[in-house]
Formats: sequence, C-alpha cells, structure tokens
Amino acid sequence: DQQVKQNSPSLSVQEGRISILNCDYTNSMFDYFLWYKKYPAEGPTFLISISSIKDKNEDGRFTVFLNKSAKHLSLHIVPSQPGDSAVYFCAASGDGGSQGNLIFGKGTKLSVKP
Amino acid sequence: DGGITQSPKYLFRKEGQNVTLSCEQNLNHDAMYWYRQDPGQGLRLIYYSQIVNDFQKGDIAEGYSVSREKKESFPLTVTSAQKNPTAFYLCASSISSASAGANVLTFGAGSRLTVL
Repeated sequence: DQQVKQNSPSLSVQEGRISILNCDYTNSMFDYFLWYKKYPAEGPTFLISISSIKDKNEDGRFTVFLNKSAKHLSLHIVPSQPGDSAVYFCAASGDGGSQGNLIFGKGTKLSVKP
Repeated sequence: DGGITQSPKYLFRKEGQNVTLSCEQNLNHDAMYWYRQDPGQGLRLIYYSQIVNDFQKGDIAEGYSVSREKKESFPLTVTSAQKNPTAFYLCASSISSASAGANVLTFGAGSRLTVL
C-alpha cells in the first residue's frame, strides 16, 4: 500500500506561470518531507524539504506547503521556467521503523512550455 | 568535486548471469543506499547501509546482494534470482540516516541494466 502518493502523473504549464505539484501521504508519523527533481537518465537532485512542525518553507522560486490535517503537501514553482521541465518526486521519512530512509511517490512529470 | 560515481552507466546482461554495479562516494557519508526505478514507478529501496560492515534489506531485496567493506563503496550485485532485473538503478548516500533533521540523500547518475 502506497504511503506517499502523487496522483497526477503529468502537469503542463506555460512559462512564467505557477506550477503546483501535489503529494498526499497516509502515515502521520512522517516527520520530514522532501522534494526531488529528476531529469531523464540522471539521478534525482534535492530541491527543498519541510519539517512536519512547519506549514511552509520557501527557497527562491520554490515553496513547499504542508497541511498536516489533510496529510497533503504541495510544491509551488513560480515563475515556472522551461528548465524546470523534469519529473518531481515527493518523499517522506521518519515513520518510526525506517531509520530515516525515504519513501518516494511515483513522481509527476512537469512540462513547462515556452 | 565531491559526489557519487556509479559505473557502468549502461550494462547488458544475458539471463542467468550475475552482474555487479559499482557505487563510490567521496562525500564522507556514513549511510549509503540502492534504489531501483521502473517506468511510471517511484524509487524503491533495495538495500541500505548505515555503517561499514553492516547493511539492511529494503523493500525489494530479493535477488540482490550488497557489501560494505569500505565507507566509500557500496556495490550491488544483481543475481540470476532477480526475476525482472531490467531497470534503472540509483545509488545514494547521506551523512547519516539517524541524524537529526531531514535525511537528504545525494544520488549518483544511475546505471541502466538491460537483460537480453
């Protein structure tokens, strides 16, 4: 059973607009959430994280929002750029048994059109 | 430059053969991991190691083996017992999986294994 879900396999956005990528989770024990970006045939690169005691974390064009009551987080990218086109993975850690290991969602492919 | 080096980038194997994927890091990280990615799937954990000479099975360890004889190295062997070995394999490391704060993993560029 998937503990981290990214229900949208793909998202297309116009350059300059906002991209919103969503992630849902089922385990209330998770204490950190992370977003990774992955280009084809490359390893994922870390983007931004948020602690479960926060509801927002911002880093430049990237902001992650956490709604614990809804077990939902989202990554906002504004303004979106063509170079942001990649697969974005949501990950969670701290379920009590995984010793800090990350549990990943299936990813959302973002396409930013010029 | 510090980082993780995976080799080979592409590998072809005949059915019934074992193959070993190399992973080396010079980040002085204690923890190392192997993930597998299949099309349309997330990253699934195969094995992880928090310290030299110790490793643990992840969610999909069957048909795989690892060793951690040195801090810098965490090779993965895909054995003939692995039913569907064709996949993209990712090695990662982190300072320590048990440290405070988010466990940020640094990934290598990956190795694509194709079984013919």
